[in-house]
Amino acid sequence: SQKIEQNSEALNIQEGKTATLTCNYTNYSPAYLQWYRQDPGRGPVFLLLIRENEKEKRKERLKVTFDTTLKQSLFHITASQPADSATYLCALIPSNYGGSQGNLIFGKGTKLSVKP
Amino acid sequence: NAGVTQTPKFQVLKTGQSMTLQCAQDMNHNSMYWYRQDPGMGLRLIYYSASEGTTDKGEVPNGYNVSRLNKREFSLRLESAAPSQTSVYFCASSVKLRSGNTIYFGEGSWLTVV
Repeated sequence: SQKIEQNSEALNIQEGKTATLTCNYTNYSPAYLQWYRQDPGRGPVFLLLIRENEKEKRKERLKVTFDTTLKQSLFHITASQPADSATYLCALIPSNYGGSQGNLIFGKGTKLSVKP
Repeated sequence: NAGVTQTPKFQVLKTGQSMTLQCAQDMNHNSMYWYRQDPGMGLRLIYYSASEGTTDKGEVPNGYNVSRLNKREFSLRLESAAPSQTSVYFCASSVKLRSGNTIYFGEGSWLTVV
């Protein structure tokens, strides 16, 4: 069956450290993979998109990698701050999906807590 | 620009009642979506509209209907609410379906069915 999984429900790290979140997928061939941030009581907000032919994408303190062989994306936040505490969602767009299933397929999210 | 606006923010319904969640976007996007988010289940697509005049079922369409009223507005209707429909509902929009473009979400509507 097709799955997109974020391995950790929760991740606790110390301020200043690098947070690394994992997104794995099976039986999909993603055209794109996206990462979103969601704060409590709010809607998800787009952070980064990476295409299947890209290995890495950076934006300020954020870095995303995409390994189509491992079927995995890693999301890194360097020099983490308490303000980075939120739930992070990965989402993919299948390139070969034949059914009418719309756009993004989301993982369940990883709740990141950065302690001062 | 307000982005994606959904109403109401909170609603309590009795089983069997009907209601409509309203959504409007001011970004001139072609595609609009309704998701529900439940603990442990993540975001699941209910219905989407690739463009004005078209709607399609997503992963969990049962018990819902939608209307793409015009390019700006996409409403979600619960004809006979059930406790299983207690959830947080998010409307979203994007420039184009399956393009890889960013999806913009509304702030959510918290629905409780008792």
